[in-house]
Amino acid sequence: NAGVTQTPKFRVLKTGQSMTLLCAQDMNHEYMYWYRQDPGMGLRLIHYSVGEGTTAKGEVPDGYNVSRLKKQNFLLGLESAAPSQTSVYFCASSSNRGLAENTGELFFGEGSRLTVL
Amino acid sequence: ELKVEQNPLFLSMQEGKNYTIYCNYSTTSDRLYWYRQDPGKSLESLFVLLSNGAVKQEGRLMASLDTKARLSTLHITAAVHDLSATYFCAASYDKVIFGPGTSLSVIP
Repeated sequence: NAGVTQTPKFRVLKTGQSMTLLCAQDMNHEYMYWYRQDPGMGLRLIHYSVGEGTTAKGEVPDGYNVSRLKKQNFLLGLESAAPSQTSVYFCASSSNRGLAENTGELFFGEGSRLTVL
Repeated sequence: ELKVEQNPLFLSMQEGKNYTIYCNYSTTSDRLYWYRQDPGKSLESLFVLLSNGAVKQEGRLMASLDTKARLSTLHITAAVHDLSATYFCAASYDKVIFGPGTSLSVIP
């Protein structure tokens, strides 16, 4: 049972390059999330999705785009990478938190470490 | 806008002692989460609290929720070294917002 899988796990980019992080979940979850984690900052929400074909902005969306074309996948794109985007990126998924009977527990991937030079 | 605070941010405690981590959130939340993170690792779910007065316990950790005070606590009983980690709380409404984390170090 894979759970939440992120690819790639490590990546080094030069300023101005673009890349896409892929998150895949096999738990049939409605909700998916992208966070970034920086030292001393906790996790900050970048974008999230409440279902296939939907996306919404989180706390720090600037410089990132996302797509949820398939229920099991949530892609995070950087169009023109900047050194400030050096971080560890975590993807998570959960059941529908809009239903009171669901715990809405977030299941996290292993993280993707991105360095922008 | 939902904001989540934790205190303390850093905690060094002796083995065998008890302590409490506090989590405050700024607006209505439908759930309160506690997670643990070991260095270089992902986040592991500890508790999900769904309603006012909810209390959950697992081993030496006990979490509670007071929605009227917008406060959750994570109580550690008789700490052991294996509990050394960073603990995060998170609150949710339309978004799931995390606190800054509490770095816990348990020393002999």
